[in-house]
Amino acid sequence: RKEVEQDPGPFNVPEGATVAFNCTYSNSASQSFFWYRQDCRKEPKLLMSVYSSGNEDGRFTAQLNRASQYISLLIRDSKLSDSATYLCVVNLPNTGNQFYFGTGTSLTVIP
Amino acid sequence: EPEVTQTPSHQVTQMGQEVILRCVPISNHLYFYWYRQILGQKVEFLVSFYNNEISEKSEIFDDQFSVERPDGSNFTLKIRSTKLEDSAMYFCASSLGVKLMQYFGPGTRLTVL
Repeated sequence: RKEVEQDPGPFNVPEGATVAFNCTYSNSASQSFFWYRQDCRKEPKLLMSVYSSGNEDGRFTAQLNRASQYISLLIRDSKLSDSATYLCVVNLPNTGNQFYFGTGTSLTVIP
Repeated sequence: EPEVTQTPSHQVTQMGQEVILRCVPISNHLYFYWYRQILGQKVEFLVSFYNNEISEKSEIFDDQFSVERPDGSNFTLKIRSTKLEDSAMYFCASSLGVKLMQYFGPGTRLTVL
């Protein structure tokens, strides 16, 4: 089983739409969770950390469900600039800093 | 806003040659990392470095790879004898602490011919 699994998409949504991505992780002892975005041939850029209580940053909301071992990202009022690949990142338990990246979910926002 | 920088942006080398990829992490960060991303695939952890020594490494990080912090600002990844399958984007990252968010540099695209 993969450490981190994401639906690769692609998700093609119109501007202004709401879109949600899920990501599942295999190790229940994982403690740190993040969403990164990656534009084509660029570096991953941190979008937000994901906390147990859920967190929101403007149009973006992240949730963690430990019981079901998934994290989610909700994007409201999609903009053209949101088009990117969204990467789910989970730390490897029993290590300090070894992060596992999902393969990413591709989003295209259409005018 | 402080950022991680990497040089060169693109490195082309012949199979069997040694390459050194360079990174300048964010200045007050204590943990440094190298990742690689083969075209079309996911980002993969190679190694983490703290307090002038390797703290963790993955199976990919074999004897052909080494890391060094030669001075107070640079962090390098050396590949001793490059193989065709080493062709990838190599990202350096840094973080303030353990399990905290990591910030990535723009990457070095390594092409092995």
